[in-house]
Amino acid sequence: EIVMTQSPATLSVSPGDRATLSCGASRDIGHNLVWYQQKPGQPPRLLIYGASSRAAGIPARFSGSGSGTDFTLTIDSLQSEDFAVYFCQHYNNWPPWHTFGQGTKLEI
Amino acid sequence: EVQLEQSGAEVKKPLESVNISCTGSGYTFSGHWIAWVRQTPEKGLEFIGIIYPGDLAVKYSPSFEGRVTISADKSVSTAFLQFSRLRASDTGIYYCARGADYYDVWGPGTLVTVSS
Repeated sequence: EIVMTQSPATLSVSPGDRATLSCGASRDIGHNLVWYQQKPGQPPRLLIYGASSRAAGIPARFSGSGSGTDFTLTIDSLQSEDFAVYFCQHYNNWPPWHTFGQGTKLEI
Repeated sequence: EVQLEQSGAEVKKPLESVNISCTGSGYTFSGHWIAWVRQTPEKGLEFIGIIYPGDLAVKYSPSFEGRVTISADKSVSTAFLQFSRLRASDTGIYYCARGADYYDVWGPGTLVTVSS
């Protein structure tokens, strides 16, 4: 099983700042990496798939990069609505053993 | 609008079973995989299993195989999760989500509480 490790666990930033979140895979996963945003009381929301492609309706201030074992989610010019928990997820086409990171909480 | 709706919160005792439903609307339900994912305080987000309503192909995570049954009825655009022999550590929010690799639409979640 591939283990996904996110860092830091909590990131304290201010509105207008840039936030850089990291996700590492225990072995090479190519570009099979997604990022989700989750706010309290809501399900996760898809942000990035294929490591760097923005999902429909996601603002351009969200960007993803990386391949292999090291991935980054960058949020430019943080808005108040961006303060949430962010998860990365690895996916296989088959078998679908999809594993999630433990999350990074973005706080003011 | 593409939506997934889930059945309501459940309170169960240890060793009981729970059944959760997930109804899709706004898209061709039979043409998209539906995954079940749970979120618990201890383990965070965990993939449980996945079904293709079109032909009922199902795959389970090894972590849950044996305690979980996933099914679907495409005639009513609904997928089902049955979780048996519940333990206190199974307490959490159970989500259905659309997608084979990653999930672009999520249900609101069903809170399952297991307590004696």
